[in-house]
Amino acid sequence: DAGITQSPRHKVTETGTPVTLRCHQTENHRYMYWYRQDPGHGLRLIHYSYGVKDTDKGEVSDGYSVSRSKTEDFLLTLESATSSQTSVYFCAISESNGYTFGSGTRLTVV
Amino acid sequence: QKEVEQNSGPLSVPEGAIASLNCTYSDRGSQSFFWYRQYSGKSPELIMFIYSNGDKEDGRFTAQLNKASQYVSLLIRDSQPSDSATYLCAVNNNFNKFYFGSGTKLNVKP
Repeated sequence: DAGITQSPRHKVTETGTPVTLRCHQTENHRYMYWYRQDPGHGLRLIHYSYGVKDTDKGEVSDGYSVSRSKTEDFLLTLESATSSQTSVYFCAISESNGYTFGSGTRLTVV
Repeated sequence: QKEVEQNSGPLSVPEGAIASLNCTYSDRGSQSFFWYRQYSGKSPELIMFIYSNGDKEDGRFTAQLNKASQYVSLLIRDSQPSDSATYLCAVNNNFNKFYFGSGTKLNVKP
């Protein structure tokens, strides 16, 4: 068990509000990732981190920002939520033989 | 062109049959290849990984890799209803970023 938890598990928010999702890991992994999963698109990388304060953009980063002030926490922020950001968000950590995913956050923007 | 392509399915097979899932990728520099299983409403979980051309077997699962054809497949022998899920192909280009296909939905009929 990679000890990766996401919070919240479910959230409904209004268009235009800021939203922060949290990913927490307990095993000191260097690499952490945020993906979104939508029908027909599979998993798409939003942002990733390769160390404290070291982050980079993925393929669908517009409208999202991230922060990693501690090894164990990787935060994803939607600055001003839009309906197109309704999705399931997965955090992942990189281990020697692939990714391990958190349980996901289902976000609905109304 | 998407990095990783999969037929979305659904692929339906009878219980006890062999299920064959296929994936193609575009980056010839890709180094490692992964198959994930995702049950509805759950996070993806790693089934197998393969790095070298040829076959790799693990129980009822066999991964096949052909780098010249840029093709990866997953065979599931003696398919069971519990194998019904979406199967995601993932490709790693050795820069700690994974690219996922959109997944193939497998239905195993009792």
